[in-house]
Amino acid sequence: AQSVTQPDIHITVSEGASLELRCNYSYGATPYLFWYVQSPGQGLQLLLKYFSGDTLVQGIKGFEAEFKRSQSSFKLRKPSVHWSDAAEYFCASPREYGNKLVFGAGTILRVKS
Amino acid sequence: GAGVSQSPRYKVAKRGQDVALRCDPISGHVSLFWYQQALGQGPEFLTYFQNEAQLDKSGLPSDRFFAERPEGSVSTLKIQRTQQEDSAVYLCASSPRDRGDYGYTFGSGTRLTVV
Repeated sequence: AQSVTQPDIHITVSEGASLELRCNYSYGATPYLFWYVQSPGQGLQLLLKYFSGDTLVQGIKGFEAEFKRSQSSFKLRKPSVHWSDAAEYFCASPREYGNKLVFGAGTILRVKS
Repeated sequence: GAGVSQSPRYKVAKRGQDVALRCDPISGHVSLFWYQQALGQGPEFLTYFQNEAQLDKSGLPSDRFFAERPEGSVSTLKIQRTQQEDSAVYLCASSPRDRGDYGYTFGSGTRLTVV
C-alpha cells in the first residue's frame, strides 16, 4: 500500500539557519507529492506540490522542495528560517485510486532565537 | 466566502451524545472532503463528495459516522453516540475540481472532545 513517512517528529533550528525536512514515499509510479503547513489551531495550508518535470519545485513563503526518485524522497527546504515558520509540516500524496490524500505523521518545527 | 468555514470551532460532548459538525466550502467548489486528525497524527481521510454525491466513504470508522451534502454546497458530518476515541480535530477541505491538482483549501477544523 502507498505510504508517506516523515522520519523526524520534532526539529529545532535557530532563526536564520537553513531548514530541511524529510519525507519518504513508497510508490511504484511517479507520485504526486505535497507539503502542507499547519499552525496551531489552524487548518492546513499548501506550501508546494510536485507532479512531474523539474525535480526542484518552488512554493510559497520561501520554501522549496526537491524530488529524488532514486531515494524515494521529497525534501522540504528553506534557506533561512524565520520565527513565524514554527509550525507542523505534513508531507502528503494521493492514494493510487481516488482523490484522497495520505498524510505523513508530521514534523513539528521549533525555531529558537 | 473567501475560505472554508467550519463550525463550531470547539465542541465538548458527553459520551453517548450525538454531534453535528458543519462545513461551508468555498462557493462553487465541486469537491469536498472530511478528514480526522487525532492528536499528534496526520489527517486521515474520512469521506469525499463530488457535488451532492458521496463518492467515497471508505474512511468512515464506523456506522456511527454519517456525512451529507444535500445541495452540493454545505456539508454536515454527524457522529452518533460519541465515544472517547472520536476525540479529534475534524477538518473539511474543498477543491474546485473533481480530480486533478489536489490543491485543497482546508478549513480551521472543529476540535471535538468527548468526555
